[in-house]
Amino acid sequence: DGGITQSPKYLFRKEGQNVTLSCEQNLNHDAMYWYRQDPGQGLRLIYYSQIVNDFQKGDIAEGYSVSREKKESFPLTVTSAQKNPTAFYLCASSGGISYEQYFGPGTRLTVT
Amino acid sequence: KQEVTQIPAALSVPEGENLVLNCSFTDSAIYNLQWFRQDPGKGLTSLLLIQSSQREQTSGRLNASLDKSSGRSTLYIAASQPGDSATYLCAVRRPYTGNQFYFGTGTSLTVIP
Repeated sequence: DGGITQSPKYLFRKEGQNVTLSCEQNLNHDAMYWYRQDPGQGLRLIYYSQIVNDFQKGDIAEGYSVSREKKESFPLTVTSAQKNPTAFYLCASSGGISYEQYFGPGTRLTVT
Repeated sequence: KQEVTQIPAALSVPEGENLVLNCSFTDSAIYNLQWFRQDPGKGLTSLLLIQSSQREQTSGRLNASLDKSSGRSTLYIAASQPGDSATYLCAVRRPYTGNQFYFGTGTSLTVIP
């Protein structure tokens, strides 16, 4: 089945620790995205990548880092510099003629 | 910057009713507009995508229209069912932005049996 996988589904960390969220796609899409979703708010773009070995900051990149070493993978690291990391994180990819965007199931990160 | 608005934020309707969800955007220069559904605690599911050159798209009981000149799109749901209860989001993709998508905050729909 083609799609996007995110792992883990739930993640708990202590304050001050870095944590890496996984995102893998087998849709052969060039572009991949990371969004953050907080209750009552829309999706906010953290980072996006249009091609392997290239990525750009979104609206709320501070305290986050990414890499794009393979077309299929776009991991997100939430660093200790992120002031309020507890949130629902969504990974997406887009490609093809229409550039339709598809989403993974999300990772809920709780930092205490 | 592109602003995308969805009104109302929440909507409750009785089962069987036809309904319309609204999406408006400030910049008419878009590549396409996409409608999504999100169930609580889940990722977004793509429902319909309308290219900028199209006026509407249909999938089953769903029909999405696009009026670029007025910066509006509507999602029409026919004969609503309790299973349609979810949050519906729209997003536009703009040129010259590195293929970024701009999302509305969504309309939370409840269909009452």
